[in-house]
This record gives sequence, C-alpha cells and structure tokens, in this order.
Amino acid sequence: QITLKESGPTLVKPTQTLTLTCTFSGFSLSTSGVGVGWIRQPPGQALEWLALIYWNDDKRYNPSLKTRLTITRDTSKNQVVLTMANMDPVDTATYYCPHFGPAGHFDYWGQGALVTVSS
Amino acid sequence: DIQMTQSPSTLSASVGDRVTITCRASQSISNWLAWYQQQPGKAPKLLIYKASILESGVPSRFSGSGSGTEFTLTINSLQPDDSATYYCQQYNVLWTFGQGTKVEIK
Repeated sequence: QITLKESGPTLVKPTQTLTLTCTFSGFSLSTSGVGVGWIRQPPGQALEWLALIYWNDDKRYNPSLKTRLTITRDTSKNQVVLTMANMDPVDTATYYCPHFGPAGHFDYWGQGALVTVSS
Repeated sequence: DIQMTQSPSTLSASVGDRVTITCRASQSISNWLAWYQQQPGKAPKLLIYKASILESGVPSRFSGSGSGTEFTLTINSLQPDDSATYYCQQYNVLWTFGQGTKVEIK
C-alpha cells in the first residue's frame, strides 16, 4: 500500500532554511502521471499548497512562495525534498507530503511534520 | 489565482441530520474539485474527487455535486464520526483549498 512520511527539524530559527524530506513506499515516482506534493497547515488554520513534483521532474510552485521554495526528488531513494528559505515565525505549521495521482488530486497523505519557527 | 470560498465556516447538527456545505470558486474550474475530511490531529482524507466521484472506501452517505463555480458536499444521516473539518480544493489551475467548514455534533 502507499505510505508517505515527512521528516525534518521540529524547530528552526528565523532566517534559516528549512529542509524537509518525504520518504515514500508503495509507488514509483517514475510512473507516468504520478507526483508528490507539499502542503502545510498553520495551527488552527486552513491547508495551503506549496509545491509539487511530477514523475517527469516537472515542478510547480505556489506563486506567493515561489522565490523561497525548491522541490527535488531522488527516485533511487524514494524521496522528495522540499527546501524553504528565509523561514519566519508565520511559517510555523504542520507540513504534509501527499501522493498525487494521475486523476489530479491528493489521495494519500503522510502523518505530517510540525515545524516551529522561533528564536 | 483561483480563490475558493466555503460556507458556512461552522455548523452544528444532530446525528441523523442531512448536512450541506457549499464551496464557490472565483472562476470556473469545470469539475476539477475535491473534498477532504480532516479530523482533529490527523491528516486530511480524500472523500470525493472530480466534484462527485466517491473515493473508494468512503461511506455512501457522503456525496458531492456541482460544476463551474458552485459545488456542494452533502452528508446524509450525519454520524458522530463525521465531526471534522471539511475542505474543498480546486485542481483546475494549480491547487487551492477553501478555508474549511467545521462540522460539530449537537
């Protein structure tokens, strides 16, 4: 079955760069139509899509955060990495990496990773 | 950017009630709309995609309808386990979520 798990630091300081890793199993990121996304949720707030990487290494970013985000993949390790530069306390959130299916929606989600930005 | 607006923000209903949540898009998204359920402390769970297709394993009391700019999620015969926040999401142009609707059980 498809599983995904987010990992990374739980605490980062303002201005630092956040690096999160999504390790997945049960599918290949080389399969046509498949992708992995990153979505975040500040405490008590709504979901916000951040980035997505496709099976062909094509990438999409949230326009409002594009200058700060980089998404990459390592198909041999079944991992997708998100970096977010210049972190601020407002970036405190739970970060999710869901599987993106050929139908265009996010159908499998990891448990999420809470990242707190504080000095 | 496509904006998604849900209403109401919160609703309270009794077990057995029929509940309807509305989601409006700022421009036409055809039927490229999904609904997710998020229970407290958990990741979102896909309920419906392409506006009206029920994800495998989701109870049939959940249904979705609409196209263009207006969509609804209906829960027939509300159950205690349905207490959660529900989000709509468009995937016509990139991906955007609504602000969520919290469903409480009276």
